Amino acid sequence: AQKVTQAQTEISVVEKEDVTLDCVYETRDTTYYLFWYKQPPSGELVFLIRRNSFDEQNEISGRYSWNFQKSTSSFNFTITASQVVDSAVYFCALSELNRDDKIIFGKGTRLHILP
Amino acid sequence: GAVVSQHPSRVICKSGTSVKIECRSLDFQATTMFWYRQFPKKSLMLMATSNEGSKATYEQGVEKDKFLINHASLTLSTLTVTSAHPEDSSFYICLMAEGGEQFFGPGTRLTVL
Repeated sequence: AQKVTQAQTEISVVEKEDVTLDCVYETRDTTYYLFWYKQPPSGELVFLIRRNSFDEQNEISGRYSWNFQKSTSSFNFTITASQVVDSAVYFCALSELNRDDKIIFGKGTRLHILP
Repeated sequence: GAVVSQHPSRVICKSGTSVKIECRSLDFQATTMFWYRQFPKKSLMLMATSNEGSKATYEQGVEKDKFLINHASLTLSTLTVTSAHPEDSSFYICLMAEGGEQFFGPGTRLTVL
């Protein structure tokens, strides 16, 4: 069965600090997508990244970076030089490509960036 | 990415009434659509999956007679919460999927008094 675990329920850091959000997943499939979404207080999901299971290259986008490690089934997300606007709930998610494209979410990590 | 809209974005209703939520894509055709529910400070939980022209498949614990899903076309899906009660108050989000592409709607916040 597919499962996504975000062990960090809530994190608080001071602005400009780096912070890493952990994500561990379980799947029986060899082909899948991994996602990160940001959910600000408005509720609308903001897509951050989708990573194909065959592509283990790490990705950097501005202050955001992602570390995909298939050996440990992890897909961690790092924000460098955090800003107050980064405060939100962040969800890691998994979609098995052979199962109707549905997306299964972790429980989310609530991130507080303190000024 | 595709533009997916939900209407209404926010609704307040009295207990016992039915509420219809529309999920519409303006520029994307989706064979498969999903509906999620999110309670305050919780994660998004999949409620049901629907394929165009077929009956929806509901997740365990979701009452199909209470949450009616109509996948009317490749660009429109509706979720009707029948005889809504305060415990149905939640944030409802649709997801449209086709060929490995997936796009979420902005969500509908339902409050049942």
